[in-house]
Amino acid sequence: SQQGEEDPQALSIQEGENATMNCSYKTSINNLQWYRQNSGRGLVHLILIRSNEREKHSGRLRVTLDTSKKSSSLLITASRAADTASYFCATDEVGTYKYIFGTGTRLKVLA
Amino acid sequence: DTAVSQTPKYLVTQMGNDKSIKCEQNLGHDTMYWYKQDSKKFLKIMFSYNNKELIINETVPNRFSPKSPDKAHLNLHINSLELGDSAVYFCASSREGGSLVYGYTFGSGTRLTVV
Repeated sequence: SQQGEEDPQALSIQEGENATMNCSYKTSINNLQWYRQNSGRGLVHLILIRSNEREKHSGRLRVTLDTSKKSSSLLITASRAADTASYFCATDEVGTYKYIFGTGTRLKVLA
Repeated sequence: DTAVSQTPKYLVTQMGNDKSIKCEQNLGHDTMYWYKQDSKKFLKIMFSYNNKELIINETVPNRFSPKSPDKAHLNLHINSLELGDSAVYFCASSREGGSLVYGYTFGSGTRLTVV
């Protein structure tokens, strides 16, 4: 079964607005990662948050993790057209070290 | 450039053929992976090698066989290709195995089309 599921599946916003994407998962995890995939390209690692962390920042990115709800959110502030991409969360189930990716959120930022 | 590089980028082949995809990383990473991304963008892990040793072997048809001649290379050979094998195959590497600290570095993918 799929470990991570992103919500929404697609999101369209205006440049300058904030974009929020959510990820839900099913089992206890060691950590959770977010990746970006531009069309026709490989995935690029954005940020990793450990299971004992609640919030992490990297530039315009803010990631939160709520292990009690088994969910994470990725916030991109002041979005730019270049942020247009698919965003995936990946989680590893404790004891397996296998990272399972969700189906992603397709973000479109309109100039 | 330091990277994970896959060849070929595109592969169009007929059903029943055998094909290989090659992957090389010059990052000095210990662990390499193969992922399959289907038409709905769902990424599924297939295999993982740590220092040439197979550590993850998901439920994939045995027509798929990975080979790691050294820790910098992980190739994927597919026998008797089927229409359902059409997908984008991504190679990735990580500095460590097990629970990651730094995340994966992905290659740019190989788009396989079986006709």
